[in-house]
Amino acid sequence: NAGVMQNPRHLVRRRGQEARLRCSPMKGHSHVYWYRQLPEEGLKFMVYLQKENIIDESGMPKERFSAEFPKEGPSILRIQQVVRGDSAAYFCASSPLNRLGGYTFGSGTRLTVV
Amino acid sequence: DQQVKQNSPSLSVQEGRISILNCDYTNSMFDYFLWYKKYPAEGPTFLISISSIKDKNEDGRFTVFLNKSAKHLSLHIVPSQPGDSAVYFCAATTEGGNTPLVFGKGTRLSVIA
Repeated sequence: NAGVMQNPRHLVRRRGQEARLRCSPMKGHSHVYWYRQLPEEGLKFMVYLQKENIIDESGMPKERFSAEFPKEGPSILRIQQVVRGDSAAYFCASSPLNRLGGYTFGSGTRLTVV
Repeated sequence: DQQVKQNSPSLSVQEGRISILNCDYTNSMFDYFLWYKKYPAEGPTFLISISSIKDKNEDGRFTVFLNKSAKHLSLHIVPSQPGDSAVYFCAATTEGGNTPLVFGKGTRLSVIA
């Protein structure tokens, strides 16, 4: 999955702390998507962003979760006051304007809340 | 409400034989379908796609078939190789719209040497 960089790869947080997950899209890609994979589940869409704009956040929990994709720098998925149920693998994907070639995914961030 | 369903959580196949992975969808607005392959601790990798104007798309050992009337697609891998052992996700979207990919839960394929 060269090209889409996610960091950190692993993140451990205590309940109540904040988690910040970063995603740098592939060069030339202007669309970023965040997905979450719970154990034994598929990938669930969370949010779709373009530079400085949230296009679709229909999959984002209403509380504690936010995302941004600033003009400069990576996209950030922020989870405030984490709970055990937030433990999951979070994948970022990017695509060019023409999305029909499919997304390119990063290797994911595995969040563990203890 | 699962719009994309992969009803077989796992599948075991002998090396050299055909692997058939199935996927059903419920949303008739979907008109573009993709398969992704995922190894442990890695992100999904795009494998092959098909538009609803076709009923078959082939790329080397991988062929995807689409039956629009049944809202069903399948991925055929022939011959199967041990390196094909992975989780395979079916995904769907709308070709002309801004709909993010909707994924199934995946099928774990094990190819036995």
